[in-house]
Amino acid sequence: AQSVAQPEDQVNVAEGNPLTVKCTYSVSGNPYLFWYVQYPNRGLQFLLKYITGDNLVKGSYGFEAEFNKSQTSFHLKKPSALVSDSALYFCAVRVGRYSSASKIIFGSGTRLSIRP
Amino acid sequence: GAVVSQHPSWVICKSGTSVKIECRSLDFQATTMFWYRQFPKQSLMLMATSNEGSKATYEQGVEKDKFLINHASLTLSTLTVTSAHPEDSSFYICSASRDDRGNQPQHFGDGTRLSIL
Repeated sequence: AQSVAQPEDQVNVAEGNPLTVKCTYSVSGNPYLFWYVQYPNRGLQFLLKYITGDNLVKGSYGFEAEFNKSQTSFHLKKPSALVSDSALYFCAVRVGRYSSASKIIFGSGTRLSIRP
Repeated sequence: GAVVSQHPSWVICKSGTSVKIECRSLDFQATTMFWYRQFPKQSLMLMATSNEGSKATYEQGVEKDKFLINHASLTLSTLTVTSAHPEDSSFYICSASRDDRGNQPQHFGDGTRLSIL
């Protein structure tokens, strides 16, 4: 079965320290991978994506993620956390390439808490 | 600015009422839109895929007669929760992409919080 796993429900980091939010996936074929962030009572905002090419992708707000095919992982990282980064983060994979058979599978979400 | 608009953002109504939620793509046409349901502190659960000009594709376990989806134009999909009951209370979110090939991100509406009394 195709799936996305975020093993940590919560990640706590001090402001200024590096942060990592983990994501692993299980899909057939080459995955299209995404990270989204959700603030309270809001929809999701796109952070970054991996489609093909360089394994390290850079996105919004200083976030980056590294695609590791051998480990089937796509961990989200940021060198120096800000209090404003505190939010709910979702890893997602697009399965199926065309609209008629395509949908997005989301991980369970990781709540990131940055303490001052 | 927002590229997907969802309305209303908050609904409180009595049990038995039908509620319609609109999802509009503001500056692009979307042949496909997605409807999700999110419970508190949980992930998004895909309810259905809304296809312009044809019937929606519902996920297993989602009642199509309960959650009516209409995608009558390339910029508008609606979700109607018919005869809503307290167990239908939830956060509903729609999304759409500029490109249906799958390599573009989804743009999400800001969600609709539905509370059934």
